[in-house]
Amino acid sequence: GESVGLHLPTLSVQEGDNSIINCAYSNSASDYFIWYKQESGKGPQFIIDIRSNMDKRQGQRVTVLLNKTVKHLSLQIAATQPGDSAVYFCAVSSHTGGFKTIFGAGTRPFVKA
Amino acid sequence: GAVVSQHPSWVICKSGTSVKIECRSLDFQATTMFWYRQFPKQSLMLMATSNEGSKATYEQGVEKDKFLINHASLTLSTLTVTSAHPEDSSFYICSASFGTRYEQYFGPGTRLTVT
Repeated sequence: GESVGLHLPTLSVQEGDNSIINCAYSNSASDYFIWYKQESGKGPQFIIDIRSNMDKRQGQRVTVLLNKTVKHLSLQIAATQPGDSAVYFCAVSSHTGGFKTIFGAGTRPFVKA
Repeated sequence: GAVVSQHPSWVICKSGTSVKIECRSLDFQATTMFWYRQFPKQSLMLMATSNEGSKATYEQGVEKDKFLINHASLTLSTLTVTSAHPEDSSFYICSASFGTRYEQYFGPGTRLTVT
């Protein structure tokens, strides 16, 4: 089955620096990719998504990059702030899989002041 | 828009009892709802997918007789944990989508503790 994994379970970032969180997926049929942020005791919060016909998408302070050749996805957070501390999950979905979303393991950036 | 609520937000029950968790889409009609469980410091694991008016599709390893899912209307799905045991203690999260859209809208989660 589909597997989704983040490269590092934790990430140390200096406040104001850019953060990069990486994710690898296994199913080449995946065609929709999402990044979520989850704060303790809450449900996932949508950050940004990208479809398989794109390789880059930008939002407010966030950028998602998709490399389908190597099945790799990354989230870049510009000017990381203490409020960005949460667990970040990448997730993948495919219309051939009934739109089921498979979540990766999660990464928590630790923002140093 | 696209708000999903869950009730209760937390529940404590005794071993052997059943607990029902509700998931509602407040401002849209959800053709599909998903149920996840999440253990501490772990990722979300999909339990089942339910479409309004039809039986839920359970993921491998999820007992359908233990986790009863009912999607009776386009705005409500319920998850009933039957004969709960302490190992069922977890954070249960629902999400909803509409049409053939990929986007899922997540509820705030329900913390279940079985004593």
